[in-house]
Amino acid sequence: DAEITQSPRHKITETGRQVTLACHQTWNHNNMFWYRQDLGHGLRLIHYSYGVQDTNKGEVSDGYSVSRSNTEDLPLTLESAASSQTSVYFCASSESNRGTLNSPLHFGNGTRLTVT
Amino acid sequence: GENVEQHPSTLSVQEGDSAVIKCTYSDSASNYFPWYKQELGKRPQLIIDIRSNVGEKKDQRIAVTLNKTAKHFSLHITETQPEDSAVYFCAASLLGSSNTGKLIFGQGTTLQVKP
Repeated sequence: DAEITQSPRHKITETGRQVTLACHQTWNHNNMFWYRQDLGHGLRLIHYSYGVQDTNKGEVSDGYSVSRSNTEDLPLTLESAASSQTSVYFCASSESNRGTLNSPLHFGNGTRLTVT
Repeated sequence: GENVEQHPSTLSVQEGDSAVIKCTYSDSASNYFPWYKQELGKRPQLIIDIRSNVGEKKDQRIAVTLNKTAKHFSLHITETQPEDSAVYFCAASLLGSSNTGKLIFGQGTTLQVKP
């Protein structure tokens, strides 16, 4: 069955370190998204991609970067981790659509990141 | 850009009662409004969605209503059960030729159904 996998599930890192969170999907979806979930803020969009070599900033992109070299993967990099980036990170994917097709998001299981 | 506000942040109901969660959005061009349910420690999962050409959609005990003029939409859960306890998120998106499904979420509502 197609799926979307995030790794690691849990990560503890120190302030200032570079951290990369992996996201791999086998749905063959063109669209991929990274969200962070914090109490009181819901799910906030960090970065997203509509296809290979395409990346876009979301609502809270400062301090994060992504790259899309193939359809399956959208790794999220924290260039210099800060305590404010302690959060649960969700990767998601969806089909491209033109016109009237629905395009539900399929979420990964999340990565809990703690920055000490 | 789009902004979605969701209320209430917490909701406690007695089993069997109805629950209503409301969301407002800012971008009048948005045309797709899904609702996601997230159980504790799990990933969000789509439970129902509605497009802007429809005013109401129902799926068993769950219904969603949309008022495009007022730019708000609501989730209605009837005959609530303990297994409905979860965090619910609304979202808004513009689906079309150039924007392919970026979802902006509300802040979430924690629903507790007391047995």
